[in-house]
Amino acid sequence: GQSLEQPSEVTAVEGAIVQINCTYQTSGFYGLSWYQQHDGGAPTFLSYNGLDGLEETGRFSSFLSRSDSYGYLLLQELQMKDSASYFCAVFNNAGNMLTFGGGTRLMVKP
Amino acid sequence: DVKVTQSSRYLVKRTGEKVFLECVQDMDHENMFWYRQDPGLGLRLIYFSYDVKMKEKGDIPEGYSVSREKKERFSLILESASTNQTSMYLCASISGEGNTQYFGPGTRLTVL
Repeated sequence: GQSLEQPSEVTAVEGAIVQINCTYQTSGFYGLSWYQQHDGGAPTFLSYNGLDGLEETGRFSSFLSRSDSYGYLLLQELQMKDSASYFCAVFNNAGNMLTFGGGTRLMVKP
Repeated sequence: DVKVTQSSRYLVKRTGEKVFLECVQDMDHENMFWYRQDPGLGLRLIYFSYDVKMKEKGDIPEGYSVSREKKERFSLILESASTNQTSMYLCASISGEGNTQYFGPGTRLTVL
């Protein structure tokens, strides 16, 4: 089976940098993804790491260390609109099914 | 743009009723999924399908069944709705080669 651990809540101020960690235990691993979900909305894709290292997309970056079964999402220059829940998710060996973590609720304050 | 649509945004049903939740995707994706989302529990996989007429149980299939008669459509069926099935239901799809899962807007089901 798969299990993922991430903090339940994080609070930060506008303009700051925040890191959301994710550790996983899996019977098979293909890649780590991050999704954002605003209240009342559907999850939307943010990033994917198939290999170790950092992937950068604008203000958001995601990191993976396969040897440590660990990844993180880094959000820079935080904006109020970044207040949302963030989910890490692991692909199974076949690369066609995701298992999601419990989500981290990020609150950005002025 | 990939579009995943769900038949209803809000649904209210009574205990014991049969409930159908429909999901349609327009990008010819092989894989489709049904999740339920409850506060504090994240997204839990109910069933998924990797091809027409194929289905696999997820983590919480009890009380649910699914149907995939056409590639673009994946239906979730609650044979006899119960109050503990009150939840947000999310459908999603992904291509066989892709790494991006696309979600529908969700159906908030209330069972009275």
